[in-house]
Amino acid sequence: EAQVTQNPRYLITVTGKKLTVTCSQNMNHEYMSWYRQDPGLGLRQIYYSMNVEVTDKGDVPEGYKVSRKEKRNFPLILESPSPNQTSLYFCASRPGPRDEQFFGPGTRLTVL
Amino acid sequence: GENVEQHPSTLSVQEGDSAVIKCTYSDSASNYFPWYKQELGKRPQLIIDIRSNVGEKKDQRIAVTLNKTAKHFSLHITETQPEDSAVYFCAASRGGGSYIPTFGRGTSLIVHP
Repeated sequence: EAQVTQNPRYLITVTGKKLTVTCSQNMNHEYMSWYRQDPGLGLRQIYYSMNVEVTDKGDVPEGYKVSRKEKRNFPLILESPSPNQTSLYFCASRPGPRDEQFFGPGTRLTVL
Repeated sequence: GENVEQHPSTLSVQEGDSAVIKCTYSDSASNYFPWYKQELGKRPQLIIDIRSNVGEKKDQRIAVTLNKTAKHFSLHITETQPEDSAVYFCAASRGGGSYIPTFGRGTSLIVHP
């Protein structure tokens, strides 16, 4: 089944404790993105990747890192999480720049 | 950069009525306009999209219209059903390699039986 997976789905952590949210897609898509969703603010892009080893900042990259060492994986790294990073995070992938985005199931992160 | 405004933020209709959600964008170079539906607790999913070389696109009960001169596009849902209740997001982006879509803030549509 073609899909985008994320892990973990739920995470409660404390300020400053490094964490990684994994994202994997099995559709051989070139493009992958990370979004955060906050009430009243919609979906805001954090980082995106156009191919292996090619990443760039989105609208809200501060406090986040990403890597794209393999085409299928695009992990999101929070080196020192803070409470303002409490949010719902979605990973997405698409074949090309103007194609439909396929979203993962979401990761609800709480930073205490 | 691109700025997308979406209205209304909440829309309440009776089953069978029509619903219209409107978005405006700022970047005249934008040429791809998707609409996503997000049901409660689920991921966003594409329901329809339009590219700048057409003015209208229909898919059963949903349609999208685009006015490039005025820089606005709209989602129309006819004969609404309770299962249409969800949050709807519009987005706009320009083509080219980077394609960073900008999303509207979402419209919560409630369809009352």
